[in-house]
Amino acid sequence: ETGVTQTPRHLVMGMTNKKSLKCEQHLGHNAMYWYKQSAKKPLELMFVYNFKEQTENNSVPSRFSPECPNSSHLFLHLHTLQPEDSALYLCASSQKTSGDQETQYFGPGTRLLVL
Amino acid sequence: AQRVTQPEKLLSVFKGAPVELKCNYSYSGSPELFWYVQYSRQRLQLLLRHISRESIKGFTADLNKGETSFHLKKPFAQEEDSAMYYCALKGNNNDMRFGAGTRLTVKP
Repeated sequence: ETGVTQTPRHLVMGMTNKKSLKCEQHLGHNAMYWYKQSAKKPLELMFVYNFKEQTENNSVPSRFSPECPNSSHLFLHLHTLQPEDSALYLCASSQKTSGDQETQYFGPGTRLLVL
Repeated sequence: AQRVTQPEKLLSVFKGAPVELKCNYSYSGSPELFWYVQYSRQRLQLLLRHISRESIKGFTADLNKGETSFHLKKPFAQEEDSAMYYCALKGNNNDMRFGAGTRLTVKP
């Protein structure tokens, strides 16, 4: 599959579980992002990675732990989540170049339900 | 702080009618503004960006720095335009902020 892929597409977990979300981009981009999309809030940027280095962490609780082993893969490790963390988690990638508006390409998302 | 406001959560128009989705922003520097769209059962995707000054699928958006707005317009709406539309702003720190979104429904 081309573009940005995310697995799993759906996930149900208990509050004591540990799970990971995976994102892979096949576009040769150098930046990757995690967003949270919940029903009652705007799309929220969680983490940004440029060239595998984390550059943004928008006050995200430590129960969310990102990992970027290379420029094509991004993980979001989940541990002791709360029911309010139930949301659609979107991954995106872009090619950051100077002097240009880079476009972000989004994956289909992982629908997470925390019980 | 950067903020994006889309005042309308829902917008409904008839096919062939003009449509305008409002977006206002708050940012002290020079913003980069985008409109993203999410059609039913499809992923979020870029519709247009202000620097390109292009028309995509008949939509245009003009950055008005005086009014700090970036409204999305189309003179004649089509049923296939029904979707969720998000206005987004990227500041100098590369942090992308999205508005809450407006769900556009174009009725036949």
